[in-house]
Formats: sequence, C-alpha cells, structure tokens
Amino acid sequence: KQEVTQIPAALSVPEGENLVLNCSFTDSAIYNLQWFRQDPGKGLTSLLLIQSSQREQTSGRLNASLDKSSGRSTLYIAASQPGDSATYLCAVLFRGTQGGSEKLVFGKGTKLTVNP
Amino acid sequence: NAGVMQNPRHLVRRRGQEARLRCSPMKGHSHVYWYRQLPEEGLKFMVYLQKENIIDESGMPKERFSAEFPKEGPSILRIQQVVRGDSAAYFCASSPRSGVSYEQYFGPGTRLTVT
Repeated sequence: KQEVTQIPAALSVPEGENLVLNCSFTDSAIYNLQWFRQDPGKGLTSLLLIQSSQREQTSGRLNASLDKSSGRSTLYIAASQPGDSATYLCAVLFRGTQGGSEKLVFGKGTKLTVNP
Repeated sequence: NAGVMQNPRHLVRRRGQEARLRCSPMKGHSHVYWYRQLPEEGLKFMVYLQKENIIDESGMPKERFSAEFPKEGPSILRIQQVVRGDSAAYFCASSPRSGVSYEQYFGPGTRLTVT
C-alpha cells in the first residue's frame, strides 16, 4: 500500500531556530515529492517539488531533500519566523500499480508553531 | 496564466440537498483531480478525470458522488443528498501530465458545510 507518514505531528520552536520536518513513504516508485504549506482554513501553497531524479531543491530559507531508496524526505527551514507557523504537508506522486493511474498521496502534516 | 479556479469558495447546504462544486483547470491542462480534506484529516484522492473520461475513481464513495469533465466547461463534482459527514474542504488540481512534469497545481478549494 502506498502511504506517506510525517513526523512529528506537531512542533513548537522559538523564533530563529533551524528545524527539520520529516516525511517517509512506502514505495520508491515515484514521479515526484512535493512539500506544501497550509494555513488554517486556507488552501495549499506549493513550497518545493523534487523530481524523482533529483536529490534536493532550495528556495530561500527552505531546503528539501529526497532519498528515494530509503523512502525519506526532509524539509529544512532555516532561521524560523512566526510567519512560518502553519501546517506543512508532504505529498508523494506514486507511479501507478497493477494498471492503475498515478496517485498523489498526502501525509497528515506537521503543525508548526514558531513562537516570537 | 490564471491558476486553477474553484467556485464557490464556500457552500452551505442542508441535509438532503445537492452540492455542485466547479473546477476550471489551468489553461492547457487537460487532467483534473479532486481531493477531499475532512476536518483534522489529510487530503485524500477522490477521482482523476481527463476531458470526457473518468480515468480513476477509486477514491470516490460509490453512492451519491459523481464527477465529470466535459469537452467544454469546468469539471463538476456533484454530491447528491448531502449528509453532515460530507462537510469538508474539496480541492481540485490540474496537470499537464506531459514529459517529466506530472506536477499538480491546486485550486483554493471549496468548503462545504452541511447543516
């Protein structure tokens, strides 16, 4: 079964701290992995997308890595700010199995709180 | 290039009524996906459509739910005889699904409340 797990479910840190969010997935046959941000009651903001052939992507204070063989990805946030407070979702686009279509499977997210 | 459009953004229905959610994909995208996010849960795949075809509906409840993506116009997710458990955020995504780019681009969502 194609599953995505995110640890921890919630994280609270003081402003300025560097932090790492973790994502693991059960099947290495993937097209890509994507990190999203979701604010309460809002939609999804795409942060970074890593193709299956890539090892990492960077955007500003964010860096995402992908280790397909071990089924893991990390999202590193440098110098965290209160405005970073949100839920971060990891989503993996798995290749289709047994004649089925590809599936984008989401983890349940990590709720991040950055305290001023 | 406008992003994925969804309307309405908020929809309130009484139990037993029908809900129609619309999704206009990004220009040039012919693949549409619907996801549901129940309160305090992750997003779950419902259905994948191409123009005039349902490709994969393995995530959609067998009863009361249907989806279409006609040759002209937006994709529609229809929920008949809504119940309180249908209250959720429904997100649509579109993709060009070409070359190596299978990235899905998400709309702002429709929040359905069933009273």
